[in-house]
Amino acid sequence: GQQVMQIPQYQHVQEGEDFTTYCNSSTTLSNIQWYKQRPGGHPVFLIQLVKSGEVKKQKRLTFQFGEAKKNSSLHITATQTTDVGTYFCAGPGPGSARQLTFGSGTQLTVLP
Amino acid sequence: EAGVAQSPRYKIIEKRQSVAFWCNPISGHATLYWYQQILGQGPKLLIQFQNNGVVDDSQLPKDRFSAERLKGVDSTLKIQPAKLEDSAVYLCASSFQGIDTQYFGPGTRLTVL
Repeated sequence: GQQVMQIPQYQHVQEGEDFTTYCNSSTTLSNIQWYKQRPGGHPVFLIQLVKSGEVKKQKRLTFQFGEAKKNSSLHITATQTTDVGTYFCAGPGPGSARQLTFGSGTQLTVLP
Repeated sequence: EAGVAQSPRYKIIEKRQSVAFWCNPISGHATLYWYQQILGQGPKLLIQFQNNGVVDDSQLPKDRFSAERLKGVDSTLKIQPAKLEDSAVYLCASSFQGIDTQYFGPGTRLTVL
């Protein structure tokens, strides 16, 4: 079945440093979604990328979808303590049900 | 717009007991999902409903887990009997029909002793 892998599993950065998490799928994806889960919270949708090579920005967050539509990355510039949480990528399966397969997530800790 | 509601927020039970979780999706969302999230892992889909029909329950341990969405709105997920390895957060999510983006509820944290 479809597998979605993320690296790194954990990342500690000093406030103000940049952060990147990478997502790889075993299959080509029609789209990739990113979610953020704060400690003790639930996943919250951040963005969806659809086109090959697509790049989208949300303030200090930059999301990229690979040319082959099998990988993606999330880059945060100048991290802040509010960025703390676990970032998940998720891709829909090939079937008509299109259920999402989530990666294992990257847990970001920002040290003040 | 109200979000996805879940209850209870926390539940502690002993193994072999039964437990039920309730979810009320965002109004108008035809698709409802139940996920299990074990600490340190991403959410794993247990079951997906489209209105009141099951779309996918391939990862639902059917010997002990059951779910229903009788009127196409609220849903309940039941575990009977619970095992230690069922300790997890159970997340409910919903999405508008045909749209992939999912909106999650706050989850129910289940501890099985």
